[in-house]
Parts: sequence; C-alpha cells; structure tokens
Amino acid sequence: KAGVTQTPRYLIKTRGQQVTLSCSPISGHRSVSWYQQTPGQGLQFLFEYFSETQRNKGNFPGRFSGRQFSNSRSEMNVSTLELGDSALYLCASSWVTSNTEAFFGQGTRLTVV
Amino acid sequence: QQQVKQSPQSLIVQKGGISIINCAYENTAFDYFPWYQQFPGKGPALLIAIRPDVSEKKEGRFTISFNKSAKQFSLHIMDSQPGDSATYFCAANFGNEKLTFGTGTRLTIIP
Repeated sequence: KAGVTQTPRYLIKTRGQQVTLSCSPISGHRSVSWYQQTPGQGLQFLFEYFSETQRNKGNFPGRFSGRQFSNSRSEMNVSTLELGDSALYLCASSWVTSNTEAFFGQGTRLTVV
Repeated sequence: QQQVKQSPQSLIVQKGGISIINCAYENTAFDYFPWYQQFPGKGPALLIAIRPDVSEKKEGRFTISFNKSAKQFSLHIMDSQPGDSATYFCAANFGNEKLTFGTGTRLTIIP
C-alpha cells in the first residue's frame, strides 16, 4: 500500500512570500499531523486534522495554517515567510489518532532566502 | 514544556555491541510510546512501540523496556550494525493528543 506522499520535496522561497505544502495520507487514514523539524528544535508539532477539523494545534504563530479535504489530503500554508521558517516539514498520517501507528512522509525541505 | 526527555544526544557503538537510548516522561496519562528511526533526507519511520500494560517488547534486534513506576522507557539495539546508524526519536501520547517527541539521539555504529 502506498505510503504518505508529500509534495513538493524541495522548495526555495524568498522572505515575505507564502508557500503551500501538500500531504496525501495513506489510504484509509483520517488523521493527518504536521511537524516542523530543525536541527536546533527537533520535531515540533504544528497541527493535526481529523475529518476536515483541526483537532490539535501547536505553539506556532498564525502565519502557519492548514486544512484537510474530504479525501483526507491535507495542505499547510505559511504566509509572510521568514528566514527562520527554513526547515523540513513533515506530515504524518494515522488511522484515527496518533495514539495508533503514525507514518511519516519524506518531508518537504523549505529554504527561505 | 518538554514532556519527554531523551538521552544521550549522540552515541557511538562498536559493531556487534548493544546500543541503549533512554527516555523519561512526565505526563502519567501517556499510554503509547513509539520509537522512530530517521535516516538523513528521510522522514522518521516507526520502529517499535509499546503500551504500559507490558514491561518489554521485542522485535528482532530491537527491544523496548518500559518502567511505569519510574516513568522511563528505553530502546535497546542488540548486535548493532552500521546500517543502524541513524537518528532515533522516542515519543509519547495518549488518546487524541499529539505525539510529543524526545530531542533525538544520533547513533553511529563503527566497525
């Protein structure tokens, strides 16, 4: 069965721009979580969506937003990019909650210049 | 608030040796404790997970030991191989809550 697919794999953006990242979960999985990974901060939780509703939210500014569609695919958006937003953005899907097996995609490497 | 503390930050083990990574948690409500393995340029991959109703779980060369009273759990990699060189993350959560990750351990297996 296909794994979690994240697109694009790499992105280079300029400060002030906005970016949209996409995540297609494993078929049948309804929970999608997003994480930011940086060398200094490790894996930081952004938000989780379940059945098109945001169920959990991490401590990130409002520039970070997301949504989930009826087919469970999810997007996250970052507006007014800052240099510090450069990171690997990871999406994880699980059947119902992350209290069961959660599977990660390969991530989108975002570089802000 | 860091709810899962992981140590050591980095670890070097000789091939064939035992690699041990430790995690401690604070929230007694946690009831799911997975370990993830991450290779450079890849997303974390679920390695093994345990729930607090058992004290140990083994899958091949990988074993989780769980001490509920001490609020600690650890990953043991037996007969460590160069291919095990990666970053390992412990995590914990309960119910619908988010997974809380440890800070990661960079494991290097030397010949």
